[in-house]
Amino acid sequence: DAKTTQPNSMESNEEEPVHLPCNHSTISGTDYIHWYRQLPSQGPEYVIHGLTSNVNNRMASLAIAEDRKSSTLILHRATLRDAAVYYCILRDNNAGNMLTFGGGTRLMVKP
Amino acid sequence: DAGITQSPRHKVTETGTPVTLRCHQTENHRYMYWYRQDPGHGLRLIHYSYGVKDTDKGEVSDGYSVSRSKTEDFLLTLESATSSQTSVYFCAIRDIQDGYTFGSGTRLTVV
Repeated sequence: DAKTTQPNSMESNEEEPVHLPCNHSTISGTDYIHWYRQLPSQGPEYVIHGLTSNVNNRMASLAIAEDRKSSTLILHRATLRDAAVYYCILRDNNAGNMLTFGGGTRLMVKP
Repeated sequence: DAGITQSPRHKVTETGTPVTLRCHQTENHRYMYWYRQDPGHGLRLIHYSYGVKDTDKGEVSDGYSVSRSKTEDFLLTLESATSSQTSVYFCAIRDIQDGYTFGSGTRLTVV
């Protein structure tokens, strides 16, 4: 299984942009890059996903490197409610479409 | 968002007793998943289903069985609960837009 590497934790100030990095140097051509976040005592929540092109939605933006070996989740304006563990996951289309979670990045947002 | 509910939300059971957790979805999605999450860890896949009566093992399937007799229900059974199965269990579905929706979780304590 292709794996991802993320920093264990990051800090941000409220109302500032946050860039959460993810390395996935062994990504294959069929792997989609997914991002989920988990708030305390809740199940994971879908944030965004993409294959090759950068993606935007109401929650965040996903910037994917041209070689696809890394990606960055961008929260444009962090709020206190964005404090969570963020998981970068590669989803293999050919393996039951399952998500394989790593350790994630714990994002702390300071007021 | 797909409607997905887990029951029960909390359960305490004794070692050696059978336990069944239920995951129910309302929108006929094909893929359903059971994960467990232990303190300080990401989610680990137990079993998944890709259709009625079609299931397969995940990373940590020992001691667990599943059944899917209807599209909307995916049951996880611990045949003989052990203390090592104390965990928070999450069910997930893969929706049409290719995102995954997770339930709120079942906190299981085996004493």
